[in-house]
Formats: sequence, C-alpha cells, structure tokens
Amino acid sequence: SSELTQDPAVSVALGQTVRITCQGDSLNIYYATWYQQKPGQAPVLVIYGQNNRPSGIPDRFSGSSSGDTASLTITGAQAEDEADYYCNSRDSSGHHLLFGGGTRLTVL
Amino acid sequence: EVQVVESGGGLVQPGGSLRLSCAASGFTFSNYAMNWVRQAPGKGLEWVSGLSPSGDATYYADSVKGRFTISRDNSKNTLFLHMNSLRTGDTAVYYCAKGQDIWGKGTTVTVSS
Repeated sequence: SSELTQDPAVSVALGQTVRITCQGDSLNIYYATWYQQKPGQAPVLVIYGQNNRPSGIPDRFSGSSSGDTASLTITGAQAEDEADYYCNSRDSSGHHLLFGGGTRLTVL
Repeated sequence: EVQVVESGGGLVQPGGSLRLSCAASGFTFSNYAMNWVRQAPGKGLEWVSGLSPSGDATYYADSVKGRFTISRDNSKNTLFLHMNSLRTGDTAVYYCAKGQDIWGKGTTVTVSS
C-alpha cells in the first residue's frame, strides 16, 4: 500500500495526554515525519526521525513507532496545540513522499 | 535564518501554464533535495514533485506527471515548478520545502475560467 491513514479528528482535555496515530506499510521501512498546521499557516515540522524535535518545538511533543504504525504524543496538551497534524513518509521506492489525510486536534 | 520563499502563483485559465519559483537562503542549497507540496482549499497535503540536490533526478506524483516539470538553478539558489495543461483540480496553495523540514508560506494557484 502507498497510503498513510490517520483518524480525521481527535479531542483532548486541556493538560491531558493525546496520541495521534498514522498507519501505513511504508512505516515498516521509514520513520514518520510529523507536521502541525494551524489555520491559514504553512505546516511546521514537529517530529522527525526516530523521535527528534526541531529547535523551538516544546518537549511535550514526542514520536514513536511500532511496526506499520507511527504515533505523535502530546503530553500535557495546551490550547495552542489545537491544529491539524499530518504524518509523512516515503513510498517503497524511497523517492515519492506520502502524506496522511491529517488529524484535526481539538483541545477542550 | 534558513528559509524558502515561493512566488509566481496567480489566476490562470484551464489549459494554461504557470511557473512557480522558490528562493532559498540560509543554507547550502546545492546540498539538499527539494520538494513541492500542495494543498487544495479545505483539503490535506499532497506531495507534487521532488528533485535531487544536483537536479539530475526528478520525481512526480501521478496526478501531475507529464504536465509539471521541476528544476533548480543551484547558482541562484532557486527551485522552479513549471506547470502546463493546468486543470481546475490543480487549484491549491503550493509549498516549497527544503527536504522535509523547512517550508515556505506558499503561493496560491487558482485555475479557473
């Protein structure tokens, strides 16, 4: 399969922990990359590689992977974390990028 | 500061052409693969095309293969996307990305009669 599957929407209470998942065959080979996108803004990288955060990304964001499923975990979600989250990987050729359909996170 | 800035978007009729540019700064452009990613209104992200650091290897999504051409000028730190035979379904914000990490703010392409 050359697809990445995400739940369309997830909600979390303020201060609680939420996990956003991404499933696809390519994740058995490649790590997922995770992006956060707020309305009207460009996507921002939040997690890459095994579990790496770019400079400026809070440490409440973490990534993990098991088999064909990758997860983005936000520990202690904040109001400003409300956004769309996209996972990204490569197809089996390694040359084409794949995106999940996105997960809209609501912080209650 | 590492950044990429897209330009060249606009309104074009179906069947028309457009060339997008992406100006890179703050990093050694010729060392990095580059990508174009688009987002149709209200929709998710779709990878469009990618290019190796030297420009000798190009990759395209099936939806644009044969219509779009990606290229780069490493002497000018600039990435291009030449778009031909545009369709209404190509309407989107087009983002340039350094590899998979740094993205620009995007440029809007509207294909409509």
